[in-house]
Amino acid sequence: DQQVKQNSPSLSVQEGRISILNCDYTNSMFDYFLWYKKYPAEGPTFLISISSIKDKNEDGRFTVFLNKSAKHLSLHIVPSQPGDSAVYFCAASVGTGNQFYFGTGTSLTVIP
Amino acid sequence: DVKVTQSSRYLVKRTGEKVFLECVQDMDHENMFWYRQDPGLGLRLIYFSYDVKMKEKGDIPEGYSVSREKKERFSLILESASTNQTSMYLCASSILPGTGEAFFGQGTRLTVV
Repeated sequence: DQQVKQNSPSLSVQEGRISILNCDYTNSMFDYFLWYKKYPAEGPTFLISISSIKDKNEDGRFTVFLNKSAKHLSLHIVPSQPGDSAVYFCAASVGTGNQFYFGTGTSLTVIP
Repeated sequence: DVKVTQSSRYLVKRTGEKVFLECVQDMDHENMFWYRQDPGLGLRLIYFSYDVKMKEKGDIPEGYSVSREKKERFSLILESASTNQTSMYLCASSILPGTGEAFFGQGTRLTVV
């Protein structure tokens, strides 16, 4: 049973606009959430994380929002750039350093 | 920079062969993981290890085993490869305790024919 879900397999956005990638989870014990970016034929690279004690975390053009009551998190990329075109995975864990549960990924295409 | 290295980028094996996928990390991380990535299914955890000689089953351990004799090395073994094990295999490591992020290798694309 998929505990972390990304319901949009793909997303296309114009360069310079905002990209919003969504992720839902079912396990209320999850308290640490991460976003990874993956290019074809490469391993995922860590992008940004958020602990359940926060509802927002920013790093440059990337912001992650967490809505614990809705069991929902989102990744905002502003402004979007063509180099952001990749597959984005959200992941969740109970505590840090333990098993990570990944979503199915959203393929983002940023159109120049 | 953390480096996680997987021994092969591409492998082609025959059905029934015993297959070894090797992974080495250079940052003294306690945790190591093996995932497989399939279209529409995301990353699914096969096995993980939080210490030398320790292993825990993930979500899809059937048909696989692992070995961790040294802290830096985590091997995935396909005892008798089957065509449904054709996939991208990803190794990762993370520190315990720590920020929780996992660092991934470049992946091994395994094709079983």
